Amino acid sequence: EDKVVQSPLSLVVHEGDTVTLNCSYEVTNFRSLLWYKQEKKAPTFLFMLTSSGIEKKSGRLSSILDKKELSSILNITATQTGDSAIYLCAPGGDSNYQLIWGAGTKLIIKP
Amino acid sequence: DSGVTQTPKHLITATGQRVTLRCSPRSGDLSVYWYQQSLDQGLQFLIQYYNGEERAKGNILERFSAQQFPDLHSELNLSSLELGDSALYFCASSVVSEAGELFFGEGSRLTVL
Repeated sequence: EDKVVQSPLSLVVHEGDTVTLNCSYEVTNFRSLLWYKQEKKAPTFLFMLTSSGIEKKSGRLSSILDKKELSSILNITATQTGDSAIYLCAPGGDSNYQLIWGAGTKLIIKP
Repeated sequence: DSGVTQTPKHLITATGQRVTLRCSPRSGDLSVYWYQQSLDQGLQFLIQYYNGEERAKGNILERFSAQQFPDLHSELNLSSLELGDSALYFCASSVVSEAGELFFGEGSRLTVL
């Protein structure tokens, strides 16, 4: 059965800290892994990863996929209060073309 | 703004009732997905339509049904509502039918009393 585990489930840090969020997956015929940020309402797209070892960056956020370890990490440097959100990891495979959503990591940034 | 429109934003109803949630995908997107997110729960995939046809089914109850119309908008019908159906229902759309970048609407919050 396909599954995804995100860790930690919640994290509280101070502004300016760097955080690393983890996502481990077991997906049949893996195709891609997506990261989303969910604040108050709709999840918003951050990254889509398909190749192992290639870092994707967007400002202070970066993410990398390790297909050998079946995992991905999302890094946020110099955190700001606006980074407070739930970060969702969603790998997808060929079995049913659907994304498998993790429970998310709730990140709280204190001023 | 993702370009995906969901109505209504909020809905309060009683047990046993039936409601319809509506979704208009982004212009050009052929796939529509419905998700349920209960309090402190992850996103639960319900159903996907691609260009009017059912593409994939997830954990959708028999009391729930959906369809995608020729103009590509979609409706999710929830009937014989129970307290446990209270949740945020998201619609998402994408260009392709395979798992990839999804654009989410703001959601419809359903409260069943």
